[in-house]
Amino acid sequence: AQSVAQPEDQVNVAEGNPLTVKCTYSVSGNPYLFWYVQYPNRGLQFLLKYITGDNLVKGSYGFEAEFNKSQTSFHLKKPSALVSDSALYFCAVDHGQNFVFGPGTRLSVLP
Amino acid sequence: SQTIHQWPATLVQPVGSPLSLECTVEGTSNPNLYWYRQAAGRGLQLLFYSVGIGQISSEVPQNLSASRPQDRQFILSSKKLLLSDSGFYLCAWRDGMNTEAFFGQGTRLTVV
Repeated sequence: AQSVAQPEDQVNVAEGNPLTVKCTYSVSGNPYLFWYVQYPNRGLQFLLKYITGDNLVKGSYGFEAEFNKSQTSFHLKKPSALVSDSALYFCAVDHGQNFVFGPGTRLSVLP
Repeated sequence: SQTIHQWPATLVQPVGSPLSLECTVEGTSNPNLYWYRQAAGRGLQLLFYSVGIGQISSEVPQNLSASRPQDRQFILSSKKLLLSDSGFYLCAWRDGMNTEAFFGQGTRLTVV
């Protein structure tokens, strides 16, 4: 069965520092992986996806993610965090007609 | 370009009252449509999905139902709301497998 883990409930980082939000997955077959961001009382916004090809995927708002097949990970990264990046982040894996979402990681960027 | 509309944004309903939340998508045809519920601002629970008109799959048994009367319209309903139905409801669409989903702005439902 497909599953997604986000081992950190909360990540705190100082503004200007690099940030990483972790995601590991368990799938049968080739993984199709996604990152979404959610601001308070809003829907989820798509950030980036990995389908195939280059392991480093670039997305919206300066975010990128690195697909690592041997470690079954798809960590979200940004070189320099902004206070406005503070939000809830979800990793997801494609599962047929549906997605399987991770539990979410709350990112707080401190000024 | 494609857009998704979900309404209302907030709703307060008494226990035992009916519910109807509507979601429509513009700019695409035959999308996959989804209803999710998010409790306490964290994880997403898939409630229903639909791959075509009149085709509804339910992921969890519950007090809710869904219908897709038109290609780009997805409705979430209940005949009698329970307190436990409170939450943040999200509609989403995607073009098919292995593509990203796009979400509506959500409906905050409070059952009192």
